[in-house]
Amino acid sequence: DAGITQSPRHKVTETGTPVTLRCHQTENHRYMYWYRQDPGHGLRLIHYSYGVKDTDKGEVSDGYSVSRSKTEDFLLTLESATSSQTSVYFCAISESLGQGYEQYFGPGTRLTVT
Amino acid sequence: AQSVSQHNHHVILSEAASLELGCNYSYGGTVNLFWYVQYPGQHLQLLLKYFSGDPLVKGIKGFEAEFIKSKFSFNLRKPSVQWSDTAEYFCAVRREYGNKLVFGAGTILRVKS
Repeated sequence: DAGITQSPRHKVTETGTPVTLRCHQTENHRYMYWYRQDPGHGLRLIHYSYGVKDTDKGEVSDGYSVSRSKTEDFLLTLESATSSQTSVYFCAISESLGQGYEQYFGPGTRLTVT
Repeated sequence: AQSVSQHNHHVILSEAASLELGCNYSYGGTVNLFWYVQYPGQHLQLLLKYFSGDPLVKGIKGFEAEFIKSKFSFNLRKPSVQWSDTAEYFCAVRREYGNKLVFGAGTILRVKS
């Protein structure tokens, strides 16, 4: 398995509170991604990063922000959590864009917003 | 924008039955195609991928997929499923040399023993 950890693994929070999820990799891969997984929707890309301090929006970025100050860490922040952000969040990494392209996934964080 | 359609959301099979899960995508250019599997309570793992060459791709655990360019399809097959294949299966597409994957909604497979 790729060296990807996510923390916390489970979190329950109240509406309106800020939440930060962390993804940490030991593979030194350039690209990092945050997805949310919801029944019937598959995985939807929230934000991604193509290098330190280089990030871009995915298809469901509203209400989320990200930061990447080091190659190994990619943080996802919910500035003011809402119940619609209750979901399972997965981090993924990939090394290059060539023929060997593949995304490796972390174990996920289950977030419940009450 | 690219989109990926997986035809069946839930599939129930008995052990030893054959499996075919459909995947269609909408994108006119060159694409790379992937199937991922998520076992209960686990993260996504790659089953197989197609970049170029032989359109019949073999993956892990006896799975294979066929890329049919004219049909924009990449269906997943397995001749004989096992109870341990119970999982959710996701098709994903990447524009050639792109830096993102677009996933389908997933198909939940339950294999009865």
